[in-house]
Amino acid sequence: SYELTQPPSVSVSPGQTARITCSGDRLGDKYVCWYQQRPGQSPLLVMYQDIKRPSGIPERFSGSNSGNTATLTISGTQAMDEADYFCQAWDSSTSVFGGGTMLTVL
Amino acid sequence: QVQLVQSGAEVKNPGASVKVSCKTFGYSFTRYGISWVRQAPGQGLEWMGWMNTYNGDTNYARSLQGRVTLTTETSTSTAYMELSSLTSDDTAVYYCARDQSSGWGLDTWGQGTLVTVSS
Repeated sequence: SYELTQPPSVSVSPGQTARITCSGDRLGDKYVCWYQQRPGQSPLLVMYQDIKRPSGIPERFSGSNSGNTATLTISGTQAMDEADYFCQAWDSSTSVFGGGTMLTVL
Repeated sequence: QVQLVQSGAEVKNPGASVKVSCKTFGYSFTRYGISWVRQAPGQGLEWMGWMNTYNGDTNYARSLQGRVTLTTETSTSTAYMELSSLTSDDTAVYYCARDQSSGWGLDTWGQGTLVTVSS
């Protein structure tokens, strides 16, 4: 079955750029979505079709996807961005999530 | 506005089945699919399946094939997820989410339903 791999944790200082990666075989051939989940809350879609931001998501969130790796980039990271982030892709009529990355802003 | 409201928490014995509902508001029900996702305590997200609310087509995660059934009731704009032969490993928060497919993502989520499997 298809697998997506994320780093368990990423740390960033306030105002700096955070990059969260998601790796999978030929991932660049698929659409990737990203979700933010704060403790006790439902996930929130922050990126779809690799590079598109849903309405209401700040411009500091951006995405890319090429080769075997998709990346969610948060520029000028703020304390409120501290959360778990999950990537998602579809493969052969089934979907899969990455294991998640805990973003710490310190 | 678009809302997905799920049924309340459940406690089930091992071997039993559970059925979770997801009532939708604020959009045309059959224009979007519904995905179901679960999250075990302290763990990541696990995709369970997707249903085309227009024609009833379904796709299920291989790991749950045969145990999970997705249905809808178009007259009330409600989706259902039934999981059978429960074990303690099925203890999790279960989410429904609106899913337009083709990479558009799960753009609106329900509040989650905690299902606890315990004897």
